[in-house]
Amino acid sequence: DIQLTQSPSFLSASVGDRVTITCRASQGINSYLAWYQQKPGKAPRLLIYAASTLQSGVPSRFSGSGSGTEFTLTISSLQPEDFATYYCQQLYSYPLTFGGGTQVEIK
Amino acid sequence: QMQLQESGPGLVKPSETLSLTCTVSGGSMNTYHWGWIRQPPGKGLEWIGDVRFSGATFYNPSLKSRVTIYLDMSKKQFSLKLTSVTAADTAVYYCGRRTTVAGGWFDTWGLGTLVTVYS
Repeated sequence: DIQLTQSPSFLSASVGDRVTITCRASQGINSYLAWYQQKPGKAPRLLIYAASTLQSGVPSRFSGSGSGTEFTLTISSLQPEDFATYYCQQLYSYPLTFGGGTQVEIK
Repeated sequence: QMQLQESGPGLVKPSETLSLTCTVSGGSMNTYHWGWIRQPPGKGLEWIGDVRFSGATFYNPSLKSRVTIYLDMSKKQFSLKLTSVTAADTAVYYCGRRTTVAGGWFDTWGLGTLVTVYS
C-alpha cells in the first residue's frame, strides 16, 4: 500500500497568513493526488485534483503543486472559512489511501 | 447537478451485516465510477472500495473478505454490504462519485451517514 504522510498534523494560523501543507508519498504516484477540505460534521469537499488543478468553484487562493512523492497545498491568504481539516489522497493505485489530515485552527 | 444520498440503518449489532445504499439523482451513472469511504469518530478517512460503471469492483484489502459493493443503474443506486461487523466498524460512511480518467478523483460526496455498532 502507498502511505501518505501529511505535515504538519496541526497548524495554528491567523487570517491573512500564507499556509502550506505537505503530503509525502511512500512511492511515486505521478500527479495522481487530490486534496480535500473537511469541516466538522460535513463531508469532504474536493479542492485540487491531479496535484495542481483547481476544482471548479474553489477560490483561487488555494493552489497545489508537486509530482512523484512530494506535494503541497498552499492557501495564499487564509480566510475565516478556511479553518478546517485538509486531507490528501493518492489515486495512483489500489488501495486508494488518504493522508492523516492537517487541522488548521485559528491562532 | 448530481447529488448523492446515503441511506440505511444507523445501528447494527456486532457480528451482523451493515447494509447501506447510495441513491444518485441529477445525472447519469454510466459515465462515472462510484465508491464508499468511511471515517471513524474523530479519525481520518478510509477508502472502502469502488465499483466501476462496468460493474468491476475494487476493495480495500483490510476489509476485502467482508465487503461487497454492487451497482444497480436501473435504480440509480449503488450499495455497500459489510459482514461480521465489530465496534471498529463504527463510523460515518460516505458514498462518492469518482471521475473515470486515470487517477480519477472523488468530486461529489454524499452527506454521510453514521453507523454505530452496538451490543
